Amino acid sequence: DAGVTQSPTHLIKTRGQQVTLRCSPISGHKSVSWYQQVLGQGPQFIFQYYEKEERGRGNFPDRFSARQFPNYSSELNVNALLLGDSALYLCASSRQGQAPYEQYFGPGTRLTVT
Amino acid sequence: EDQVTQSPEALRLQEGESSSLNCSYTVSGLRGLFWYRQDPGKGPEFLFTLYSAGEEKEKERLKATLTKKESFLHITAPKPEDSATYLCAVQAVNSGYSTLTFGKGTMLLVSP
Repeated sequence: DAGVTQSPTHLIKTRGQQVTLRCSPISGHKSVSWYQQVLGQGPQFIFQYYEKEERGRGNFPDRFSARQFPNYSSELNVNALLLGDSALYLCASSRQGQAPYEQYFGPGTRLTVT
Repeated sequence: EDQVTQSPEALRLQEGESSSLNCSYTVSGLRGLFWYRQDPGKGPEFLFTLYSAGEEKEKERLKATLTKKESFLHITAPKPEDSATYLCAVQAVNSGYSTLTFGKGTMLLVSP
């Protein structure tokens, strides 16, 4: 079975621009979570979606938003990009929205803001 | 606030030299503790889930253990291909759904 897929692999944007990142979960998984990982740190939770509804939100500004589609794929949007948004953005999928099911990560999208 | 602290930050071993990585955690109630392996520039790869104190899981040269305050990842006779960053994460009872709180990781380098 295919794992979690993310697109694009790499992205370069300038300050103030907007970006959309995409994620497709493992077949059969209905929950998708987004994490931000800056260099030298562990991943930090941004959002979780289950059955197209937001089920959790981390400590990130309103510039960050996400949604989940009927096929359980997801998009993460970031508006008004700042230099500090440069990071590896990770998507993870799991079977259900409730703990403590394992989360499986995609390869990530490397975002560079200049 | 849930906290995860991993030590050491970096560890250099010779091939065959066994060692342990530590993950100490503070949560109001633990639902599960997870270990992941991450290669540079890639997403974390799931290794183990531990649910209760006293539990142990093994996979090839890796063995994870859990107490009420910390978890250890024991690496027996490591090989160069075990070089990676090992991440520990907890899922707390009050975290809503599947939120994971990660530590900063331990960067392991195994020399031939």
